[in-house]
Amino acid sequence: GENVEQHPSTLSVQEGDSAVIKCTYSDSASNYFPWYKQELGKRPQLIIDIRSNVGEKKDQRIAVTLNKTAKHFSLHITETQPEDSAVYFCAASMNTGFQKLVFGTGTRLLVSP
Amino acid sequence: DADVTQTPRNRITKTGKRIMLECSQTKGHDRMYWYRQDPGLGLRLIYYSFDVKDINKGEISDGYSVSRQAQAKFSLSLESAIPNQTALYFCATSDWRGLAGQETQYFGPGTRLLVL
Repeated sequence: GENVEQHPSTLSVQEGDSAVIKCTYSDSASNYFPWYKQELGKRPQLIIDIRSNVGEKKDQRIAVTLNKTAKHFSLHITETQPEDSAVYFCAASMNTGFQKLVFGTGTRLLVSP
Repeated sequence: DADVTQTPRNRITKTGKRIMLECSQTKGHDRMYWYRQDPGLGLRLIYYSFDVKDINKGEISDGYSVSRQAQAKFSLSLESAIPNQTALYFCATSDWRGLAGQETQYFGPGTRLLVL
């Protein structure tokens, strides 16, 4: 089955810096890659996703890139702010008629003022 | 997202007890999921359901069972709770949008379970 690895497990940056979180997946059939943000004590919420027919997607300060050949995808956050501090999860899903998301183990991002 | 609710929000139980966690949604979604979250392990799928007649095991279904009582309700049961089932449990929903396997999942607020 699919396996998703996520790095780093923790990431500390200064406010205004950029942050990059990387994930690799094992199954080349995976074609959907969402990113979820989980603030402390809250539920995970989708922040951005990318489909396998797209190499990059951007939404304001966040962007996701996908390299299908290498089977990895990354989340980029620019101009980080303290409210970006949270745990970020990547996930992968295959086109099998239903969605079975396989999640990475999460990255705890801390943005210091 | 207040459209997906879970009860109870916190629960302490003893080894061997049977407990049920409940999930309700008002989003009208046909698909519902139960996940378990452990520190350092991310979210792992326990069971998922496409409609009231369709229930499927996820990657860690042993020791758990589910019931889809209606489109809006999906319950998770621990038949005989054990300490390593101590975790944060999330229910989620999604809606078919014509792109197979690419719909957004909406999570409930979570149930924190402690098994002593």
